[in-house]
Amino acid sequence: DSGVTQTPKHLITATGQRVTLRCSPRSGDLSVYWYQQSLDQGLQFLIQYYNGEERAKGNILERFSAQQFPDLHSELNLSSLELGDSALYFCASSARHLAANTGELFFGEGSRLTVL
Amino acid sequence: QQQVKQSPQSLIVQKGGISIINCAYENTAFDYFPWYQQFPGKGPALLIAIRPDVSEKKEGRFTISFNKSAKQFSLHIMDSQPGDSATYFCAASHDGATNKLIFGTGTLLAVQP
Repeated sequence: DSGVTQTPKHLITATGQRVTLRCSPRSGDLSVYWYQQSLDQGLQFLIQYYNGEERAKGNILERFSAQQFPDLHSELNLSSLELGDSALYFCASSARHLAANTGELFFGEGSRLTVL
Repeated sequence: QQQVKQSPQSLIVQKGGISIINCAYENTAFDYFPWYQQFPGKGPALLIAIRPDVSEKKEGRFTISFNKSAKQFSLHIMDSQPGDSATYFCAASHDGATNKLIFGTGTLLAVQP
């Protein structure tokens, strides 16, 4: 158990809809990362938050947005969903303190999104 | 320049054999090279990692070999076991402030008994 909790584990929705994925990082971890895993593209970095602020951005679509709340949990919002958005979405956390950071990311078990 | 290229895409090894997975990168600013292991239905988990100041790191049956001049690194699994069957991802990062990992495309390893 990595200590990172993601909900829901599975989600089935229709094209055009909007969903919210939730992530609770390991206790005390300040950084949260979102990754998308599809069969043909591996793990793609979407976005990172550190202590409530956006820190790094990857190949995240404009239809997607994220935020990190004061209690450090994070939400990934996916809107105007398309068939191609079907994937596993992983949240990871790291860095209780940057100075002590080993570089390791701790991943949750993912949220599987199916868009029909 | 942000890519990490991984090969092979899949690998079948007999029990007791050596599994070898290779990765190559372009960005010389990368300074952290981990390997993650992912079992079906689970998230990736750190297996072993190396920094460019050493050429090899060994933990049990798992070894990373790192060639800085060639910008390549590889994972060797000695005495491969059926329980090693999983997807393996190499990754790299270069920014200590973010630690965002750039992942390879993964290698599906099957160890046959």
